[in-house]
Formats: sequence, structure tokens, C-alpha cells
Amino acid sequence: DVKVTQSSRYLVKRTGEKVFLECVQDMDHENMFWYRQDPGLGLRLIYFSYDVKMKEKGDIPEGYSVSREKKERFSLILESASTNQTSMYLCASSLSTGISDTQYFGPGTRLTVL
Amino acid sequence: DAKTTQPNSMESNEEEPVHLPCNHSTISGTDYIHWYRQLPSQGPEYVIHGLTSNVNNRMASLAIAEDRKSSTLILHRATLRDAAVYYCILRDWNNDMRFGAGTRLTVKP
Repeated sequence: DVKVTQSSRYLVKRTGEKVFLECVQDMDHENMFWYRQDPGLGLRLIYFSYDVKMKEKGDIPEGYSVSREKKERFSLILESASTNQTSMYLCASSLSTGISDTQYFGPGTRLTVL
Repeated sequence: DAKTTQPNSMESNEEEPVHLPCNHSTISGTDYIHWYRQLPSQGPEYVIHGLTSNVNNRMASLAIAEDRKSSTLILHRATLRDAAVYYCILRDWNNDMRFGAGTRLTVKP
């Protein structure tokens, strides 16, 4: 089974702090994604990566950056956390970019910024 | 972007079939129809997908209308563990996977 793990299930940070959210997948997938999920807004794509050191902006990249130094690891960085970044963050991976391909999600990190 | 419309919520009794509808009247000829579900406190998980023909797998069946403007996810015998939010998603060649609000399925014992 594909496994996507995220470094924390719950995280509490203060405004202005730098925050790292880590995601690791164990199936040698090419593509990795970061979403945030908010009530009433569904899942929104922040960034994705289709190869090591490659990244593409999603729908809401402002205030975030990403890093993919190794194929299995995709990090989401909040350079200076703000309260409006309080959300559930979901990481996903997929084998290819084909539109019939499946995305596998991690359990999510619930981030609270005080 | 092609959009989907789903009921906000549905209820089912345990061990009865459930039909979850999805309307996608602006679907294009190359859009795939994907279904995911999200159990409480978990990330979404893949359920099934199809293009034109009906599809079956161990989790569910997907019935796609002939004009492709709607589809129905069928859970043949709902269990309490099927209580989740079910998302119907269209994927196009931009590889977008846009999750809407989904349908919250409640399964009553």
C-alpha cells in the first residue's frame, strides 16, 4: 500500500514564526502536492512538484514556499505564519501526471496560528 | 473549469445500497470523473474513476450517464465505516483536482 506520512497531526505556532510541514511518500511517486482544507472552501491546491527540485504554483501559493530536495520528501514552508493560515494541510502524491492517475493523501496536519 | 454539483448531505441505513449523485453538465469530452471520500479526521482516499463506461471495483460502482452530464457512485451495502464526505471531481488535461464541498453521507445502524 502507498503510504504518505506527514510530520505532525497537530501543530500550534505563533504569528510570525517560520513553520515547516514535512511530507514523505514511500512509493517512488513522481508528483507531490500540498493542499489546504477549510470549511466551506473544500481543498485548495497550494503548490505541487513533478520532480526533484521542481515546483509549480497552485491556486493559492501566496505566503507559502516549498522544497523538494529528495524524491520522497516534499516540504511546505510558511515563512512568517499568520492567523489566516490556520487550516488543515494535506499532502498527496501520485505516480504520474495522467488525468486518470490516483492521488494518495496523508492524514493531514491541523495547524493553528495564534 | 468544469464544475460538479452534489447534494450537501445524504442518509442511508446500514447494509442498504446508497446512490450518490453528481451533476457535471459542463464536462468536456476528455474529462475523467473521479470520486474520493474523506473519513473523519483523515485525508481523502480514492474510491473510483471513469471516463465513459460504468466501472466497478471492490469499493464501489460508478454509473456514468450516456451524455456524461451526470454520474452516480453506488455503494452496494453501506456500512458504518462508509460514513464520510464523498467528492465528485472532474480532471482535465491541466491535471487540476478541484474538490468541492462534497456530499456528507450518514449511515444509520
